[in-house]
Amino acid sequence: KQEVTQIPAALSVPEGENLVLNCSFTDSAIYNLQWFRQDPGKGLTSLLLIQSSQREQTSGRLNASLDKSSGRSTLYIAASQPGDSATYLCAVSPYTDKLIFGTGTRLQVFP
Amino acid sequence: DVKVTQSSRYLVKRTGEKVFLECVQDMDHENMFWYRQDPGLGLRLIYFSYDVKMKEKGDIPEGYSVSREKKERFSLILESASTNQTSMYLCASSLSGHPNYGYTFGSGTRLTVV
Repeated sequence: KQEVTQIPAALSVPEGENLVLNCSFTDSAIYNLQWFRQDPGKGLTSLLLIQSSQREQTSGRLNASLDKSSGRSTLYIAASQPGDSATYLCAVSPYTDKLIFGTGTRLQVFP
Repeated sequence: DVKVTQSSRYLVKRTGEKVFLECVQDMDHENMFWYRQDPGLGLRLIYFSYDVKMKEKGDIPEGYSVSREKKERFSLILESASTNQTSMYLCASSLSGHPNYGYTFGSGTRLTVV
């Protein structure tokens, strides 16, 4: 059974730091891996989707990498800002139409 | 802008009530999903629908049912609400057979059962 783990569970950093959030999964048979952002009490916003044939995707200050063979993905946030404060979720899409989520990393960036 | 719309942001219901959570998408997606989200447990799939009138149980279907009479609308039904169903409920949709198009989520419904 596919399991998705995110480390750390929570992170608090000063503004301007570069951050790495980690996601690991147990079964490499996936179509893709997605990173989402969730603000408190809100729904999920898709940040990046990395297809299984890709190694990384970039959007602005965000860069996500995927190493399917080792079951790992990282989300790199450059020059963090207080507006980046949110929970970040990774999810894998196995060979079905469903997503399997990690439990998230709660990020706080303070001025 | 494509959207998944959940009809209520907050709901408070009494134990034993029948509760309907509604979700509508405007993207002509075949797949629709209901998740619940609880602290420390993450998002767990309740039910999944891959076409009108078609449904499949997810990981935690007990105490829930669903209805999909039209492609754009997917309803989650709590037949007799209980306090352990207090949670955040999230609806999502995706294009069937195109997993790399990604998912779109609604803004969530915070349900409290008292």
